[in-house]
Amino acid sequence: QSALTQSRSVSGSPGQSVTISCTGTTSDIGVYNYVSWYQQHPGKAPKLMIYDVSKRPSGVPDRFSGSKSGNTASLIISGLQAEDEADYYCCSYAGGYTRLFGGGTKLTVL
Amino acid sequence: QVQLVESGGGVVQPGGSLRLSCAASGFSLSNFGMHWVRQAPGKGLEWVTFIQYDGSNQYYTDSVSGRFTISRDKSRNTLYLQMNSLKAEDTAVYYCARDSVGGWHFDYWGQGTLVTVSS
Repeated sequence: QSALTQSRSVSGSPGQSVTISCTGTTSDIGVYNYVSWYQQHPGKAPKLMIYDVSKRPSGVPDRFSGSKSGNTASLIISGLQAEDEADYYCCSYAGGYTRLFGGGTKLTVL
Repeated sequence: QVQLVESGGGVVQPGGSLRLSCAASGFSLSNFGMHWVRQAPGKGLEWVTFIQYDGSNQYYTDSVSGRFTISRDKSRNTLYLQMNSLKAEDTAVYYCARDSVGGWHFDYWGQGTLVTVSS
């Protein structure tokens, strides 16, 4: 199984919205609604931001949202803030107990 | 509150062994499946292995199958990763992560421990 595909970088100005995409296949994202997104600041552990495609854990701002269409999932961050600058990773259930991660997208807040 | 604290990382020669520990607090490992996820320097996250909540089954990514073993000690509430026949490409920060209940995501992560395989 190959890793999910994410663009390497994305940028936006404070207050703007950005979308981070994650493309898989009909064996993972395309067939399961179990896509999650993780935020990772440099030197820190990943933090869960979105699960089950579009659900937000308690404590995560509603500026963060998720969606899915076919084999592609998306993380949308609206009202960008400086603290949103980080790496973002998508992850999909891929059958059995295996999980596939994307290669990560670096978000720069200009 | 839920806490996961990894330890045991270090520098090891190719072909060597290392055992990582992940001490859990704020919940019982008997009730949750647990994962190890790694991140090579400057690279992305890679799922490594999973153990079911009751310890009945373990699953591994192909690149570590036969070399790594995940286990847990209920009395110590601690997760382990025994790594044998280590290769340079195993160099990474290793995170333990808790599996969500009824879901397919990682809801809590430890801070990670660095394993460096080098001669």
